[in-house]
Amino acid sequence: AQSVTQPDIHITVSEGASLELRCNYSYGATPYLFWYVQSPGQGLQLLLKYFSGDTLVQGIKGFEAEFKRSQSSFNLRKPSVHWSDAAEYFCAVGVLKKGRTSGSRLTFGEGTQLTVNP
Amino acid sequence: DVKVTQSSRYLVKRTGEKVFLECVQDMDHENMFWYRQDPGLGLRLIYFSYDVKMKEKGDIPEGYSVSREKKERFSLILESASTNQTSMYLCASSGRQGGDTQYFGPGTRLTVL
Repeated sequence: AQSVTQPDIHITVSEGASLELRCNYSYGATPYLFWYVQSPGQGLQLLLKYFSGDTLVQGIKGFEAEFKRSQSSFNLRKPSVHWSDAAEYFCAVGVLKKGRTSGSRLTFGEGTQLTVNP
Repeated sequence: DVKVTQSSRYLVKRTGEKVFLECVQDMDHENMFWYRQDPGLGLRLIYFSYDVKMKEKGDIPEGYSVSREKKERFSLILESASTNQTSMYLCASSGRQGGDTQYFGPGTRLTVL
């Protein structure tokens, strides 16, 4: 079975600083990989996803992530953090059932809470 | 824009009550999912459905059941609510036209007293 680990429960950065959130996964084949963000009291919003192809993926709000097969990682990065980026971030791995073309089952990491200092 | 709506944002129920959580999506998605979210545990899949009247167990189905009578609607049922089912419940949907991305509703915070 697949699993996802987000080693950092809580990260604090200053506004304008760079950000990297770590995500490690365990899965036998190349998975689908996702990053979601959850603002307080809200549902989850997709930031970006990796299915195949270019291992550097661009997302919304200036985020990017790099898939590294050798390290089983999919870390999220942003060059300059804004106060509005304060939220909880979830990494997820998706597995598509054999014979299906949609309906990946997602396994989520524990989440990383990001605090942004002014 | 894809819209996933959940019937209640906050719900308070008593132990032993039967609880219905409703989810509706407007994108004609084939797939719908129910998760619960607890601090430090992330989201855990309860049940999902690939089609009307079809359902499959997720990772933590015990104490829950689901119903999907129409394509756009997916209900989560707690037959006899217990205090350990106090949690945030999130519904999601996905389909081929969305590149299989799961779109989430705003969540229902359920408290069982």
